[in-house]
Amino acid sequence: GAVVSQHPSWVICKSGTSVKIECRSLDFQATTMFWYRQFPKQSLMLMATSNEGSKATYEQGVEKDKFLINHASLTLSTLTVTSAHPEDSSFYICSASWASGTRGLYEQYFGPGTRLTVT
Amino acid sequence: AQKITQTQPGMFVQEKEAVTLDCTYDTSDPSYGLFWYKQPSSGEMIFLIYQGSYDQQNATEGRYSLNFQKARKSANLVISASQLGDSAMYFCAMREKTGNQFYFGTGTSLTVIP
Repeated sequence: GAVVSQHPSWVICKSGTSVKIECRSLDFQATTMFWYRQFPKQSLMLMATSNEGSKATYEQGVEKDKFLINHASLTLSTLTVTSAHPEDSSFYICSASWASGTRGLYEQYFGPGTRLTVT
Repeated sequence: AQKITQTQPGMFVQEKEAVTLDCTYDTSDPSYGLFWYKQPSSGEMIFLIYQGSYDQQNATEGRYSLNFQKARKSANLVISASQLGDSAMYFCAMREKTGNQFYFGTGTSLTVIP
């Protein structure tokens, strides 16, 4: 089945630093990747959608200058949290989708998530 | 209006019993897909089952079945013979053919009691 990896799985950083999270589709080419943020005991909140080779589309309320998303290839998307602050501490999950998946364009495959803690 | 509604924040079930997790959805798109995911404490989203809007039969995957009532816009998940390892958060989700976004419900926390 389709596999999506995320790296790192957890990261602790100091306030003011930047953190990069990678999302890779290992055995398929993802035409679209999604980035979600999840707070404890809450649902996933879509942050942005990225298509390979084009700029990401951010959801309302998500600062695009703070959460930089790059989808440079069909197998890699990165999320960079710039000048991180404690309120950015969260669980970040990526997912990948491609039109020829088992369930056509409806399917998405999730990465295992990255737990970010900003001290 | 909420695209996906899960009205049960928490559910308890006895081990080996069946449990139904509710999900209703709202869409005007005739083509859509409905999903259920399990999220254990590790955080990983685990795909459980899928139902397409044009599927005539209810989807089944092992102990999971989806009770799809299209007219009522309902897509309840039924877990049969609950196991302790089923304790987790469960999310219902939908993706419409038009548009790229997945919509998630607020989730149901299921606890299986020995």
